[in-house]
Amino acid sequence: EAQVTQNPRYLITVTGKKLTVTCSQNMNHEYMSWYRQDPGLGLRQIYYSMNVEVTDKGDVPEGYKVSRKEKRNFPLILESPSPNQTSLYFCASSPLIRDYEQYFGPGTRLTVT
Amino acid sequence: DQQVKQNSPSLSVQEGRISILNCDYTNSMFDYFLWYKKYPAEGPTFLISISSIKDKNEDGRFTVFLNKSAKHLSLHIVPSQPGDSAVYFCAASAADYKLSFGAGTTVTVRA
Repeated sequence: EAQVTQNPRYLITVTGKKLTVTCSQNMNHEYMSWYRQDPGLGLRQIYYSMNVEVTDKGDVPEGYKVSRKEKRNFPLILESPSPNQTSLYFCASSPLIRDYEQYFGPGTRLTVT
Repeated sequence: DQQVKQNSPSLSVQEGRISILNCDYTNSMFDYFLWYKKYPAEGPTFLISISSIKDKNEDGRFTVFLNKSAKHLSLHIVPSQPGDSAVYFCAASAADYKLSFGAGTTVTVRA
């Protein structure tokens, strides 16, 4: 089954404790992206990657890191989480074809206390 | 500043009637527009799209209309069904792979 998986689905952590949210896709997609969803703001792009070892900032990259060492995986790293990073996070992927719709993972609910 | 705006946070419609969702954008470079649907505890799923060279695209019960001069698009769902109750996001892209999303409209279909 073609899918984007994220782990964990739910995470409660404390300020400053490094964490990683994993994202994996099995569709051989070149393009992968991370979004955060906040009430009243919709989805905002954090980082994206157009292929292995190629990453770039989205609209809200501050406080986040990413890496793309393998085509299927695109982890999101929070080196020192803060309460304002409490949000619902989505990973997405698509072929590198202009205007192709993106496939989204199920989401990760992160709470930073 | 959000470049894609959905000014109606919610919409309630009776089953069988038409649902009309609206979306406005400010970036004149946007040339491709998509609607995504999201159920609770799931990721958004693609619903329908339209290129700027068209003014209408239809897929079953879903039709998207684009008015470039007004920088406005709308999604029509006819007839509305209980399974259509979800959050709907409007998204737009320019000549890249980046999507800009609106804040979403929660649709509730009443029996």
